[in-house]
Amino acid sequence: SDELTQPPSVSVSPGQTARITCSGQTLSNQYAYWYQQKLGRAPVVIIYKDTQRPPGIPDRFSGSSSGTTVTLTISEAQAEDEADYYCQSPASSGTHVFGTGTRLTVL
Amino acid sequence: QVQLVESGGGVVQPGRSLRLSCVGSGFNFSNYGMHWIRQAPGKGLEWVGVMSYDGSKKYYADSVKGRFTISRDNSRNTLFLEVNPLRPEDTAVYFCATASEVDVWGKGTTVTVSS
Repeated sequence: SDELTQPPSVSVSPGQTARITCSGQTLSNQYAYWYQQKLGRAPVVIIYKDTQRPPGIPDRFSGSSSGTTVTLTISEAQAEDEADYYCQSPASSGTHVFGTGTRLTVL
Repeated sequence: QVQLVESGGGVVQPGRSLRLSCVGSGFNFSNYGMHWIRQAPGKGLEWVGVMSYDGSKKYYADSVKGRFTISRDNSRNTLFLEVNPLRPEDTAVYFCATASEVDVWGKGTTVTVSS
């Protein structure tokens, strides 16, 4: 089915590494995109095509892919990285799907 | 700069219809497919649908198929989303976004379906 599953929450101490996973069958043959959404704001793409980082996105954000799971890694996490994170991927027959979302807490 | 601005939200009674608009500027709107995405209060992002750059193809999430209609007017750099009939569960912030690798999103427009 066209579902992407993420852990509801991830906590990390400042300066540590956070990893957020996203799993789903569609990821075996489609690229994943990662979005950061801060409270009351529109989402912003931080990783596209599994591993690519748009201009202006800090290099502490990185993406990887293996089989039906993609992972967003935030190295040396900072307080400003606290946000909700969503994966997204094209699915079947022209549709798209978002992951269930992960709230990252940095404390 | 590249910008998308949604409008048309508000408080609407169940069973009524509503048309949202999304105006693009700062880029060649007619070259891009466009998505609609929504987010219910306190919930995650839900992909609603997408239309190709020329309007020839459109796809919808199963949850909205039959009630939601996407259209566009490239002469006015505008994307539309019509919802009919509205249900309470359609209450959400509705975003439009470019269908591109590094997409651009609008700030959203809020729809509240309530009697």
